[in-house]
Amino acid sequence: GAVVSQHPSRVICKSGTSVKIECRSLDFQATTMFWYRQFPKQSLMLMATSNEGSKATYEQGVEKDKFLINHASLTLSTLTVTSAHPEDSSFYICSARIQGAGEKLFFGSGTQLSVL
Amino acid sequence: GQNIDQPTEMTATEGAIVQINCTYQTSGFNGLFWYQQHAGEAPTFLSYNVLDGLEEKGRFSSFLSRSKGYSYLLLKELQMKDSASYLCAVRPSYNQGGKLIFGQGTELSVKP
Repeated sequence: GAVVSQHPSRVICKSGTSVKIECRSLDFQATTMFWYRQFPKQSLMLMATSNEGSKATYEQGVEKDKFLINHASLTLSTLTVTSAHPEDSSFYICSARIQGAGEKLFFGSGTQLSVL
Repeated sequence: GQNIDQPTEMTATEGAIVQINCTYQTSGFNGLFWYQQHAGEAPTFLSYNVLDGLEEKGRFSSFLSRSKGYSYLLLKELQMKDSASYLCAVRPSYNQGGKLIFGQGTELSVKP
C-alpha cells in the first residue's frame, strides 16, 4: 500500500487564490520530504527540500514567498501555492525517504493544479 | 551543471526486449535510479545502481558504468501495461538524502 499520502489529487482554482497541498508519511517518520513539479511532457523538477522543524531549502529559481512550505510534524509537510496564476498550473508531487528501507524514494500520488 | 539525457520516445512490440539509455553529467554521483511513471500518476521505483554492473529484477534489469556516465534499463517480455514514461534520475550527493536530478523521461509505447 501507499506509504506517502498526498491530497488533494486534483485542484481547479481561480487566479489569485491560494492552494494548499498536503503530503503525509504513513506509518513512518519523515524528517525530510521533497517537493517536485512536473509540467506536461517534461521531467520532475525539484522545487524544495522540506525539513521538519526548520525552514525549507529552495532550489534556484523557485520563489520561496510564492511556494510556502511548512513541515510542522514528522509526518506532515504542506506546500501552499500563494496567489496562484495560470502559469503555476502543473503536477506537484511530494516524496520521502524511509530510514532503513533502502535507497528508494517513495512518492505521493501527485496533485494536478489547474489555475483558471 | 547537471545534465541527464535520455531519448524522448521509443516504440517496441509486445513480447520483445527494449533498452532505454541514459547518460549523465552531474556535480557528484551517489546512485542512479530508474522510475516508471504512467500519465497523471506518481513515479514508482524500478531500480537502483550505485556500483558498476548489472542489477536484475524479474523482467527489468538496469546497468551502470560510472566511468562512462552511462546507464540503461532493459525491459524483457514486453507487455502492453509497460507503456509508460521511464525516468532516469541521479543522486548527486549522499548527504542530501533523497534529492534527485531527473532526466526528461522516455515515453515508451508498446504495440501489439
